[in-house]
Amino acid sequence: QVQLQESGPGLVKPSGTLSLTCGVSGGSISSSKWWSWVRQPPGKGLEWIGEVSLGGSTNYNPSLKSRVTISVDKSNNQFSLKLSSVTAADTAVYYCAREVVGSTYFDSWGQGILVTVSS
Amino acid sequence: EIVLTQSPGTLSLSPGERATLSCRASQSVSDFLAWYQQKPGQPPRLLIYDASNRATGIPARFSGSGSGTDFTLTISSLEPEDFAVYYCQQRSNWPITFGQGTRLEIK
Repeated sequence: QVQLQESGPGLVKPSGTLSLTCGVSGGSISSSKWWSWVRQPPGKGLEWIGEVSLGGSTNYNPSLKSRVTISVDKSNNQFSLKLSSVTAADTAVYYCAREVVGSTYFDSWGQGILVTVSS
Repeated sequence: EIVLTQSPGTLSLSPGERATLSCRASQSVSDFLAWYQQKPGQPPRLLIYDASNRATGIPARFSGSGSGTDFTLTISSLEPEDFAVYYCQQRSNWPITFGQGTRLEIK
C-alpha cells in the first residue's frame, strides 16, 4: 500500500513562500496519474489547492492560482507545493493525496503537516 | 464554484442507532460525489465514491445514495469507531469542493 509523507518547514514568515514536498513510498508515484494538495485550517473544513499529473500538467483552485505552483519529480517519487506571499490565513494542515485512477477522489493521504504563518 | 452544504452541522446519536447525513449541491453534480470520514489528528478516509460505491475495505454498514443535487450518507448501525466528522466532495466541476462537514457525536 502506497504511503505519503509531507515534509517542509512548519513555520513560515508572512509574505514568504511556503514549500512542501510529498514523498511517496511503498509503491511508485506512477500508481496514479494525478496527485493533489489539500489544506485544512485549524478547526475548519477542507480546501483543495491543486493537482499535478505525472507529465507535469497542473490544475489549481482559482482562489489560490496566482500564488500556487505544484510540480512532480518522478525520479525521486515525490511532488511539491509552493505557495507564495503567505499570510496568517494560509495557516493550516497541508495534506498531500493520491487521486483514484480515472477520477478526482482521494484514496490515499499523507498524515498532514501543520504550517503556521507567523513572524 | 459548486457549494456543498451539509446538514445537520452536528448529529448526536448512540451506538447501534442509524445515522443519516445530508449533502446538498448548489447545482447538479450528477453522481460525482464522494464521502470521507475524518477523526481527530488523522487525514480524511475515503468511504464512498460516485455517490453510492463503497471504497476498498469500507464496512457494509456505510452506504451512499442520491444524484443531481441531493445526497445521503447512511450508517445503518453505529459502531463506537464511527463517531467522527464526515465530509462530502464533488468532482463534477472545477474547482473540486468539499462540504463544511457534519460532526457525528456520541449522545
